[in-house]
Amino acid sequence: GAVVSQHPSWVICKSGTSVKIECRSLDFQATTMFWYRQFPKQSLMLMATSNEGSKATYEQGVEKDKFLINHASLTLSTLTVTSAHPEDSSFYICSARSLSGSQETQYFGPGTRLLVL
Amino acid sequence: GQNIDQPTEMTATEGAIVQINCTYQTSGFNGLFWYQQHAGEAPTFLSYNVLDGLEEKGRFSSFLSRSKGYSYLLLKELQMKDSASYLCAVMDSNYQLIWGAGTKLIIKP
Repeated sequence: GAVVSQHPSWVICKSGTSVKIECRSLDFQATTMFWYRQFPKQSLMLMATSNEGSKATYEQGVEKDKFLINHASLTLSTLTVTSAHPEDSSFYICSARSLSGSQETQYFGPGTRLLVL
Repeated sequence: GQNIDQPTEMTATEGAIVQINCTYQTSGFNGLFWYQQHAGEAPTFLSYNVLDGLEEKGRFSSFLSRSKGYSYLLLKELQMKDSASYLCAVMDSNYQLIWGAGTKLIIKP
């Protein structure tokens, strides 16, 4: 099946620093990628939808100036957490939309665990 | 509003069969997905249904009834490694995935 990678898998940073997370679709082109956030024992929460070549669409309550998303190519989207604070500590997961025939599926990256001290 | 309902937790015995139900109310329907998520890991794709009926894939099967807004995931010959959360998600008319809260499946020996 389709493969999506994320880098890094773990990040520990100091409060106030910025962290960039990369999401790549390895064997298919993804015009649309999604960024999710998941707190322990909670469901996935969609943060934003990233479309190649255009601005991301953010969900209500997600600060676009804090969570910068860049979908630079058909295989790469990046999420930058700016001026990270301890409450931003979470599991960040990207997914990429794959269209095969009439079936559209989302494939997930392995996730990035962020810990802000 | 949009709503996906699935049980919070289920327990089953190794070697047995378990059925995880999912009911949904969404604005439009472009398919229903089941994902498996082990603790601390990202979800992995299990199945996709867009037409009514049963889709079988090895030990896992998924059923859909669009008229009833209902799906189930059937797991046969349960193994300890099947202990995980199972997420039901519906793709709405805007091709956005609407997620259920997940069902935590506990397998006992």
